[in-house]
Amino acid sequence: GAGVSQSPSNKVTEKGKDVELRCDPISGHTALYWYRQSLGQGLEFLIYFQGNSAPDKSGLPSDRFSAERTGGSVSTLTIQRTQQEDSAVYLCASSRTSGGYNEQFFGPGTRLTVL
Amino acid sequence: QKEVEQNSGPLSVPEGAIASLNCTYSDRGSQSFFWYRQYSGKSPELIMSIYSNGDKEDGRFTAQLNKASQYVSLLIRDSQPSDSATYLCAVSGYSTLTFGKGTMLLVSP
Repeated sequence: GAGVSQSPSNKVTEKGKDVELRCDPISGHTALYWYRQSLGQGLEFLIYFQGNSAPDKSGLPSDRFSAERTGGSVSTLTIQRTQQEDSAVYLCASSRTSGGYNEQFFGPGTRLTVL
Repeated sequence: QKEVEQNSGPLSVPEGAIASLNCTYSDRGSQSFFWYRQYSGKSPELIMSIYSNGDKEDGRFTAQLNKASQYVSLLIRDSQPSDSATYLCAVSGYSTLTFGKGTMLLVSP
């Protein structure tokens, strides 16, 4: 595809429900990242995948958050038992490779609202 | 804890002026430096990357890097109202990016 795609664009859920957010990276990009951005806050790193290596999960805020990447391409971020503080825009980015010189390109994001 | 600091602004400049955006970072091991533009309600868009000390120019944009001072800047020449956005500075060590909270730029006609 031409760019990173994410779905859904908006998700409204009730507190305690599970949600799944999807990211489809740019074709040929081996690295995939998840970030979240809360209102008026900066981007917060969540998790990073590089090829078939074990993901870097150091940014996940709690064990309610998990992510997987199938076939080195599409990724799903799952939030279990959602809380109101999970409300944010969840952004996915991909880069051609990892390493220091990695230009990351963002998708349009999923706006999650937990009622 | 890696930190990236930016003045939150808003930075207000008249149309046609030069806008100067600044960023400092804490990790001396940082290798790559990026500027993203984010319009309200949209995702960040990469506009400049710089990897070595000095200046890098691309159209109306110039990125400047001084690793000794741990300082990155973005100059926007001939500012246009369409440049009004939040500009995010991002710094990379090995893989992940650490972002500043951004500087809001307002360009008045």
